[in-house]
Amino acid sequence: QVQLVQSGAEVKKPGASVKVSCKASGYTFTTYYMHWVRQAPGQGLEWVGVINSGSGFISYTQKFRGRVTMTRDTSTSTVYMELSSLGSEDTAVYYCAREPSGGRNFDYWGQGTLVTVSS
Amino acid sequence: QSALTQPASVSGSPGQSITISCSGTSSDVGKYNDVSWYQQHPGKAPKLTIYAVSKRPSGVSNRFSGSKSGNTASLTISGLQADDEADYYCCSYAGSSSYVFGTGTKVTVL
Repeated sequence: QVQLVQSGAEVKKPGASVKVSCKASGYTFTTYYMHWVRQAPGQGLEWVGVINSGSGFISYTQKFRGRVTMTRDTSTSTVYMELSSLGSEDTAVYYCAREPSGGRNFDYWGQGTLVTVSS
Repeated sequence: QSALTQPASVSGSPGQSITISCSGTSSDVGKYNDVSWYQQHPGKAPKLTIYAVSKRPSGVSNRFSGSKSGNTASLTISGLQADDEADYYCCSYAGSSSYVFGTGTKVTVL
């Protein structure tokens, strides 16, 4: 069965960087896109960006360009999202979510990774 | 890109039907038939409930249905049940490999 397992919670200081991982299993990793979505405490969902797990094609939302980097490791079926220059407004749960083949939606989600930015 | 607009809250009694609206623009909801809806219970990851405006994933109850007219998409839950109490988010493809979510709607079962 499809599973997306994310890395554990992180606490970072302002100005630092964080790298969150998402390990996929149960499907052919390289034939799907993987998205990152974040949710600040008590707030709504916000799309961050997407990576093609095969080609490495990337698209980020304008808000995060210059601060976010998405990569993938096909040997371990893992995607990564690194966010730099963290501020308190980056405190959120970060989810990875798979885009099904031929569909513009998110059919499987990771369990979420809480990133807390605090001095 | 601005978030799609949803009502903050919608409520209904068990057995009733409710509809949640999702208002976008001619660059997202109005342009693409790639509107999806997600149900999120507290502390849980979102769950795909409707995709491609009106299609249901396997395993999702047929009490959930979706539609779109112009720049506004809608999610209808019929025969409201206690377990339907959750937050619901719409999402639309917005071109150039980008997506935009709605502001979210809290559904309360009275």
